[in-house]
Amino acid sequence: GENVEQHPSTLSVQEGDSAVIKCTYSDSASNYFPWYKQELGKGPQLIIDIRSNVGEKKDQRIAVTLNKTAKHFSLHITETQPEDSAVYFCAASSTGTASKLTFGTGTRLQVTL
Amino acid sequence: GAVVSQHPSRVICKSGTSVKIECRSLDFQATTMFWYRQFPKQSLMLMATSNEGSKATYEQGVEKDKFLINHASLTLSTLTVTSAHPEDSSFYICSPRRGLNNEQFFGPGTRLTVL
Repeated sequence: GENVEQHPSTLSVQEGDSAVIKCTYSDSASNYFPWYKQELGKGPQLIIDIRSNVGEKKDQRIAVTLNKTAKHFSLHITETQPEDSAVYFCAASSTGTASKLTFGTGTRLQVTL
Repeated sequence: GAVVSQHPSRVICKSGTSVKIECRSLDFQATTMFWYRQFPKQSLMLMATSNEGSKATYEQGVEKDKFLINHASLTLSTLTVTSAHPEDSSFYICSPRRGLNNEQFFGPGTRLTVL
């Protein structure tokens, strides 16, 4: 089955700096890679996703890159703000009715003033 | 779009009672519903998968007779924790999947505390 590793487990950055979270996956059949943000006491929120037919996707201050050959993908947050502080999860899956997301272990991002 | 509601948000019950958690996708139809549980500072653990009108498929180690899942329609699914015990205390989150592109969204979660 799929295995997703995520690093770092914790990340502290100063407001305005960039943050990068990296994930690797093992199953070459995976072709869908979403990122979720989870605030304390709440359910995860889908913030961006990428499919294997593209190498990069950007949405305002958030971008995701995918390297299919190396089987890794990364989340980039620029100009971080205190409200970006949360736990971020990467995930991977194939497509189809029987597919399931495999999650990374999460990264706790702390944006300090 | 992609609004998911989950009720109740928090429940405290006595050991031995049953608790029902309701999950609705408010503005889309969920072809598949996933139920997760999450312990403090841990990742999401998949409990079961269900398709509308079909029996749920449970992950290894999850008791199907203890965690009853009903996927009554494309917008409603329920999870019933039967004869709850303190070790069932956790954060339960539903996750409907929209369409065939695998977009998966999450409810706000239910914090269950069993005394």
